[in-house]
Amino acid sequence: AQTVTQSQPEMSVQEAETVTLSCTYDTSESNYYLFWYKQPPSRQMILVIRQEAYKQQNATENRFSVNFQKAAKSFSLKISDSQLGDTAMYFCAFMTQGAQKLVFGQGTRLTINP
Amino acid sequence: GAVVSQHPSWVICKSGTSVKIECRSLDFQATTMFWYRQFPKQSLMLMATSNEGSKATYEQGVEKDKFLINHASLTLSTLTVTSAHPEDSSFYICSATKDPIFEAFFGQGTRLTVV
Repeated sequence: AQTVTQSQPEMSVQEAETVTLSCTYDTSESNYYLFWYKQPPSRQMILVIRQEAYKQQNATENRFSVNFQKAAKSFSLKISDSQLGDTAMYFCAFMTQGAQKLVFGQGTRLTINP
Repeated sequence: GAVVSQHPSWVICKSGTSVKIECRSLDFQATTMFWYRQFPKQSLMLMATSNEGSKATYEQGVEKDKFLINHASLTLSTLTVTSAHPEDSSFYICSATKDPIFEAFFGQGTRLTVV
């Protein structure tokens, strides 16, 4: 069975700082996808970034980038120039190509302070 | 993009009654939809996988007679909480995966309160 672990329940940084959220996963699958989702107070799940396991290049979306270490089964999210609107719960998630169901980590509550 | 709409966004019901939650993919066909439950300040827990035209697949520990799932068309899945009790109060979220891009799109969620 696949598991996803986020070891940081809460984090807090000042606006404009850079913050890194950690995520590790465990799987025996070779074809899979990794995601970071943001859940603001509205509770709508918003995709932040995704990474295909077969791609060596780390995904980047504007201020958001990942450090994907396949051998170490690590998938961290870096938020640069953090903004107040980045305050939310962040979930790391894993999906196999076959099952297509998402397995979520426990979440990290990120607070950006003015 | 792809839009998934969930309705209602919130509902209050009396103990012992049944409540139906709808999940619709508005601009794409979804052969598979997923239902999650989220307790306050916790992660999303997968309840079941809803397959169009066939029976849902429930995760271990989820009562299939309590949480009835029907996937009647390629754009609609419903979750019915039967004989609801206060302990069923929670936030329920659906998602649909758009083939072949392997990305899940989420509904807005439904806050269920059983009194």
